Amino acid sequence: AQTVTQSQPEMSVQEAETVTLSCTYDTSESDYYLFWYKQPPSRQMILVIRQEAYKQQNATENRFSVNFQKAAKSFSLKISDSQLGDAAMYFCAYRSLYGNKLVFGAGTILRVKS
Amino acid sequence: NAGVMQNPRHLVRRRGQEARLRCSPMKGHSHVYWYRQLPEEGLKFMVYLQKENIIDESGMPKERFSAEFPKEGPSILRIQQVVRGDSAAYFCASSNRDSTSYEQYFGPGTRLTVT
Repeated sequence: AQTVTQSQPEMSVQEAETVTLSCTYDTSESDYYLFWYKQPPSRQMILVIRQEAYKQQNATENRFSVNFQKAAKSFSLKISDSQLGDAAMYFCAYRSLYGNKLVFGAGTILRVKS
Repeated sequence: NAGVMQNPRHLVRRRGQEARLRCSPMKGHSHVYWYRQLPEEGLKFMVYLQKENIIDESGMPKERFSAEFPKEGPSILRIQQVVRGDSAAYFCASSNRDSTSYEQYFGPGTRLTVT
């Protein structure tokens, strides 16, 4: 079974600075998807970014980018120019290529200081 | 295009009562997933349904929990004889699965409190 580990329960960043959230996963599959979801205090789950394992190029969405290291099974999220609205719980998630379910990590609380 | 709808947003039940949680998928989506989020934890998969079929219920507790997605109407997650440990946020997601790159779009969740 696949597992996802987020080793940072909580992180802080100063507004306008850059922060990196860590995620590692364990799988024996070669093709899969990785995701970062944001959960603000409203508790709505918002997809931030997605990475296909077969793509070498790291995904980027505006201020959000990932560092995907397939051999190391590492998938970190970098948030540049942090904004107050980025404060939330961030979840890393895994899905098999043909899978039914997302497997989530325990989450990292991100606090943004003004 | 309306997103995934869940109701109620908050539900309070006494121990032993039944809880019914509803999920209306996004328009055009025929695949529904239920997840549970216990306090201070990540989301855990419970069940995956298509219209009138349960496809994967590997994450569903064997007793007291059931789910359905009828031909007409919303998907229902039912919890019978609720206990305090059932207190959690329950999220529904939907997708269309036209390809392997399908996205799961989440609803706002239902927070169940068992007193």
